[in-house]
Amino acid sequence: DIQMTQSPSSLSASVGDRVTITCRAGQSIDSYLNWYQQKPGKAPTVLIFGSSRLQRGVPPRFSGSGSGTDFTLTISNLQPEDFATYFCQQSNSIPYTFGQGTKLEI
Amino acid sequence: QPQLQEWGPGLVKPSETLSLTCTVSRDSINTRSFYWGWIRQPPGKGLEWIGSIYYGGSTYYSPSLKSRVTISVDTSANQFSLTLTSVIAADTAIYYCARISFGQWDRFDPWGQGALVTVSS
Repeated sequence: DIQMTQSPSSLSASVGDRVTITCRAGQSIDSYLNWYQQKPGKAPTVLIFGSSRLQRGVPPRFSGSGSGTDFTLTISNLQPEDFATYFCQQSNSIPYTFGQGTKLEI
Repeated sequence: QPQLQEWGPGLVKPSETLSLTCTVSRDSINTRSFYWGWIRQPPGKGLEWIGSIYYGGSTYYSPSLKSRVTISVDTSANQFSLTLTSVIAADTAIYYCARISFGQWDRFDPWGQGALVTVSS
């Protein structure tokens, strides 16, 4: 299994800030990396797929980058609705595996 | 965009079998471009992929659960199901079903709202 490690586990920020979340894969996964947002009591929703491709309907303040083993999710101009938990997930090989999550708090 | 809805018992006794079904609406499960899968999340914890199925019946399972998991599909009812045998307390989780785009960029989208299953006597 490919281990996915996110950092930090939690992050405090303010509306209008720019934040970056990092995800590291235990081996190269090329660009097969997805990012999800999960709000309390809700199912995750996909934000970014293929490392940098914005899912339809997701605001452009969300961006992703990276390849190989190191990836980042950047949120610019944080909005109140962005405070949530974020997960990375590798789709390079089965079993699909997720990072442990990053909780973004006000 | 399809809608997915999980349903099944919310309480299962230890050593018994967990069974959940996911009903798909606004889309046909007989779609070549997608798999259909199950993911679980223990309360307050991270996400774990359980397995996936294609409408033709091909399945993929997590190695850690493979000995206890079966995923099946009923194309006539536009549903797919999960069974997990010999459950223990650690199987307590919110169970989500999801559509999986596959091809070049596999991803889970959309997800069902989730079903909490508690394993307790």
